[in-house]
Amino acid sequence: GAGVSQSPSNKVTEKGKDVELRCDPISGHTALYWYRQSLGQGLEFLIYFQGNSAPDKSGLPSDRFSAERTGGSVSTLTIQRTQQEDSAVYLCASKTSGRNNEQFFGPGTRLTVL
Amino acid sequence: GESVGLHLPTLSVQEGDNSIINCAYSNSASDYFIWYKQESGKGPQFIIDIRSNMDKRQGQRVTVLLNKTVKHLSLQIAATQPGDSAVYFCAETMNTGFQKLVFGTGTRLLVSP
Repeated sequence: GAGVSQSPSNKVTEKGKDVELRCDPISGHTALYWYRQSLGQGLEFLIYFQGNSAPDKSGLPSDRFSAERTGGSVSTLTIQRTQQEDSAVYLCASKTSGRNNEQFFGPGTRLTVL
Repeated sequence: GESVGLHLPTLSVQEGDNSIINCAYSNSASDYFIWYKQESGKGPQFIIDIRSNMDKRQGQRVTVLLNKTVKHLSLQIAATQPGDSAVYFCAETMNTGFQKLVFGTGTRLLVSP
C-alpha cells in the first residue's frame, strides 16, 4: 500500500548545476503530474503524463526544465543549469484514469540552489 | 512537501471552534473544485471535492460551499482539533482534458488546545 514516493527529499545544489528529481507513482496509476511550490505561493502545474500519450508540457517555465516517464511508471524531472529562482518544493502526484479522480501527492523534493 | 508560504493568510482558532476557510477561484469555466490539506513536511492530501452542479457537500466534520455567482469556495471544519492545523488549499479545474489543477495560495490554520 505504498503511496507516491519522491527522491531525494532534499537537494542542495550550486547555481549552474543540473539536477534530477525522481517520482515513483502509485502502482497502476496511469496519470502523473509534476507541480512546483515556491515560497509564498501555491502549487504551480509543470507537466502531465497520461499513459502513452504525449505529455502536456505547458507548465514548464523554461527549456531548462524537462521530464520523462519511463515504462509508464517512474518519472524524472530534470532541471539544467539551475538558477536560484528554481529553489522550491517539487511535488509529484498520480491518479487513475478518468475524470475527477483524486490526485495522490508525494512528499516532495525540496530543492535549494545556492 | 512542506508548505513554504511564510506570508500565507493565517486563521487562528481554539480547539472545539468551527473554522471557515475561504477561497476565491479564478476561472468561471471551472467546474470541479477540491480542498487539500498540507501538513508540514508532507504533500497535499485530498479532503473533499465538489462539482459545479452542487452548492454544498458534506463530509466527516467538513463541509464545502460553492458560490458560482461570486466564484467563491469555503471549507467549514466543525469542532476543530489540533490535528487540523495545516495549510489548506483550494484547487479548481475544468472537467475536460487532463484535469490540470490550479491551486490557490493557501491559508494556514492554527488550532490552539
